[in-house]
Amino acid sequence: AQSVAQPEDQVNVAEGNPLTVKCTYSVSGNPYLFWYVQYPNRGLQFLLKYITGDNLVKGSYGFEAEFNKSQTSFHLKKPSALVSDSALYFCAVRVAGGGYNKLIFGAGTRLAVHP
Amino acid sequence: DTGVSQNPRHKITKRGQNVTFRCDPISEHNRLYWYRQTLGQGPEFLTYFQNEAQLEKSRLLSDRFSAERPKGSFSTLEIQRTEQGDSAMYLCASSFRQQQETQYFGPGTRLLVL
Repeated sequence: AQSVAQPEDQVNVAEGNPLTVKCTYSVSGNPYLFWYVQYPNRGLQFLLKYITGDNLVKGSYGFEAEFNKSQTSFHLKKPSALVSDSALYFCAVRVAGGGYNKLIFGAGTRLAVHP
Repeated sequence: DTGVSQNPRHKITKRGQNVTFRCDPISEHNRLYWYRQTLGQGPEFLTYFQNEAQLEKSRLLSDRFSAERPKGSFSTLEIQRTEQGDSAMYLCASSFRQQQETQYFGPGTRLLVL
């Protein structure tokens, strides 16, 4: 079965420190991987994606993610956290086959950045 | 605002009533998706349209749920005889033909069934 795991319910970081939000996946074939962010009472906002190519992908608001095929991971990172980064972060994987783009999401990780 | 829009943003209803939600995708996005998100969980796929054709339905979509996209533009999701377990955020997303893998989400409709 295809799945996404986000092992941490919450990550706490001090403002200015680097942050990492973890994601591991299980999927048949080559994965398409995504990170989305959700602010309170808002929909999901696309941050970045990995399709192919360079294992380090850069996205919006200074976020980046590193694809590691051997560890089946796609961790989200940012060199210096901001209080405004506090939100709910979702990792997602595209289910292959059929030409469709159904996304399977992890349960989410709440990021809290403290001043 | 040229993003995905959803109406209403909030809906409170009594058990047994019917509700209908609307999604307007980003202009020229040919694919449209519905997801459901419950508290503490990530979104779960419900159904998917390419233009006006509904091409996939999740097992989560019981017979009480129906979705349409009659002219390949906006879509509606109807829930008949609502149950308390239907309480959730219903999210709509759309994607563009040239970049199908990236889905852009609307703000969602939060449903509360009393």
